[in-house]
Parts: sequence; C-alpha cells; structure tokens
Amino acid sequence: EVQLVQSGAEVKKPGESLKISCKGSGYSFTSYWIGWVRQMPGKGLEWMGIIYPGDSDTRYSPSFQGQVTISADKSISTAYLQWSSLKASDTAMYYCVRRDFDYWGQGTLVTVSS
Amino acid sequence: DIQMTQSPSSLSASVGDRVTITCQASQDISNYLNWYQQKPGKAPKLLIYDASNLETGVPSRFSGSGSGTDFTFTISSLQPEDIATYYCQQYDNLPQGTFGGGTKVEIK
Repeated sequence: EVQLVQSGAEVKKPGESLKISCKGSGYSFTSYWIGWVRQMPGKGLEWMGIIYPGDSDTRYSPSFQGQVTISADKSISTAYLQWSSLKASDTAMYYCVRRDFDYWGQGTLVTVSS
Repeated sequence: DIQMTQSPSSLSASVGDRVTITCQASQDISNYLNWYQQKPGKAPKLLIYDASNLETGVPSRFSGSGSGTDFTFTISSLQPEDIATYYCQQYDNLPQGTFGGGTKVEIK
C-alpha cells in the first residue's frame, strides 16, 4: 500500500528554524517526484515546489524560491521541507504529494506565534 | 506564470442537482488538469486527472471535460457526501502546479 506519512504538528516562534518530513512507503521512492503544497488557514491550495528523490533535482514555484528549502534522503525514503527563519505568515497546513497527485500525506500543521 | 481562474467561488444546490464548476487557464495547458475534492481537515483527494479521466474508485457522477484553456467539472447528481471544496490544478509547467481558487459546494 502506497503511503506518505508526515511528521507531527509543530509550534514555533518567529525566527526559529524548522524541518518537517514526509516518508514514503509501498512504492519506489526514488522513481516519483514529491511535491509540497501549502494551505493557509481558511485559504486555498498553493503549490510550493517539487523534488525528484532519485537525484535530488529540485524546483521551486517563484513565490517560494528562497523562502523554503526542499530536500530528500533517498536512503530513508523521506522528503523534507525546511525553513531557516520562520515568520508568523508561515502558519499553515503543509502537504506532501506524489507527483502523480494520487497519494497525499496527511498534512503537517505549522503554527508560528510569539 | 499560468493563472487558473475557477468559478464560482461557492455554490448552493439541492440533492440530486447537476453541479458545474469551471476553470480557465491563462494559457494553453493542453489536458494537464486535475480536479480535487477537499473536505474539512482532510488532504485533497484526486477525482479527475488529465482533464477527463476518472481516478480509480471515484463515483461516476463526477466528470471532467475540456482542453486548452477552458475546463469543466460536473457532478451529475449532487449527494450529501459531496459537500466539500473543489479545486482545479494545472500541471503543464511544473514546478508551477498552480491551483484554482476553489469552489465551496453546499447543500441548499
């Protein structure tokens, strides 16, 4: 069974760093791109970027370039989304999704508040 | 950037009604369009891929059509369990997999 399992909810302060994860199982992790999607509270879906775990080829949507870093560790079938300095406006639910868009993680809620 | 304009932003319909949502791309995206259903507190669920193909296990009352810049999503007979927000998404030019703004569907 294909699964994408994300790390748990996080509560952070502005300026702190954070790395959330998305672990794939039940398929060849290195053969499918993994994307990240942001959903701010009460708002729509925003595509952030995508990574190919096989060779770590990474591409960002312009709105998110320089704001986050997407990475992957194929040895443990896990993709990551990280921030070096969080802002209150990063408060959102974040989803990972396999490139065929058929399998999604359950979401990680990130709350940034002083 | 490709922009996706989805309408309406919300609608209210009766059980059994035919519901139609449209999505317009700012440039030709061929048939690289998905439709999703999202219920509160849940991840989006893929319903339609490549503009008109029904994802496995999705009820046949859901359908999609269109190509180029204009796309339509239809629920042929609205059911109470279809209450959700629906999104279109283009994937013609990844990494920009732009979503439409969403349509909230409610029961009248």
